[in-house]
Amino acid sequence: KAGVTQTPRYLIKTRGQQVTLSCSPISGHRSVSWYQQTPGQGLQFLFEYFSETQRNKGNFPGRFSGRQFSNSRSEMNVSTLELGDSALYLCASSRGEASGSPDTQYFGPGTRLTVL
Amino acid sequence: AQKVTQAQTEISVVEKEDVTLDCVYETRDTTYYLFWYKQPPSGELVFLIRRNSFDEQNEISGRYSWNFQKSTCSFNFTITASQVVDSAVYFCALSEAQEYGNKLVFGAGTILRVKS
Repeated sequence: KAGVTQTPRYLIKTRGQQVTLSCSPISGHRSVSWYQQTPGQGLQFLFEYFSETQRNKGNFPGRFSGRQFSNSRSEMNVSTLELGDSALYLCASSRGEASGSPDTQYFGPGTRLTVL
Repeated sequence: AQKVTQAQTEISVVEKEDVTLDCVYETRDTTYYLFWYKQPPSGELVFLIRRNSFDEQNEISGRYSWNFQKSTCSFNFTITASQVVDSAVYFCALSEAQEYGNKLVFGAGTILRVKS
C-alpha cells in the first residue's frame, strides 16, 4: 500500500500571502489529521477531518483552516502568513472509525513551509 | 489536561550500546493510549508502537523493547545493541479515548545519536 503523500514538499512564501497544502491518505483511511512542528513549540495538533467534517481542532487561530474531499484527500490552508508560521506541516491518516479507541496514525513526509 | 514529558533532550551513545529513552505522561483519564514514533532526518514520523492503558505487559520487537509502568506513568523505550541507523528523534505521544477522533499530544522528543 502506498503511504501518506504530501505536496508540495517545500514551499517559500512571504508574509501576508496565503498557502494551501495537500495530503493524500493511505488507501482506505478516512481520517486525516494535521500537525505543525516547530523547534520552539514541537509537534502540535491542528485539526482532524473525517468524512469531510472537522472532528477535532487544536488551539490555532482561524487563519488555519482545512477541508476534506469525498475521496478523503485533505487540504490545509493558512491565510495572511506570519513569520511564525514557518514550520514542518505533517499530515497523518488513520482508519478513523473506531469509537473511543484512537487509531494509529501514519504520517506523511511533511511540507516544509518557509515564510520570509 | 494531557502532558507528555521527555526529559532527555539528546543522548549520544556508541554503536552496540544499549540506550533507554524516558517518557512520563499525565492524564486524568483512566483509558488512554501511548505511542512511540521515530523521526529520521527525512522528516517523516515512523510509527513504532501503540499501547493502551489496560495493557501493562512489556513488549519486545527485535532490538526494541518498551516498559509500561502505570504506577509511575512512564512508558520507556529501550534499544538494545544500538546501530547508526537508529540515529533519529524519538517522540512519545498520548491520546485519550475520545468518543470519536484522533488527537495526539507529543513530548518534546529525544535526539538519539549513535556513533560508529
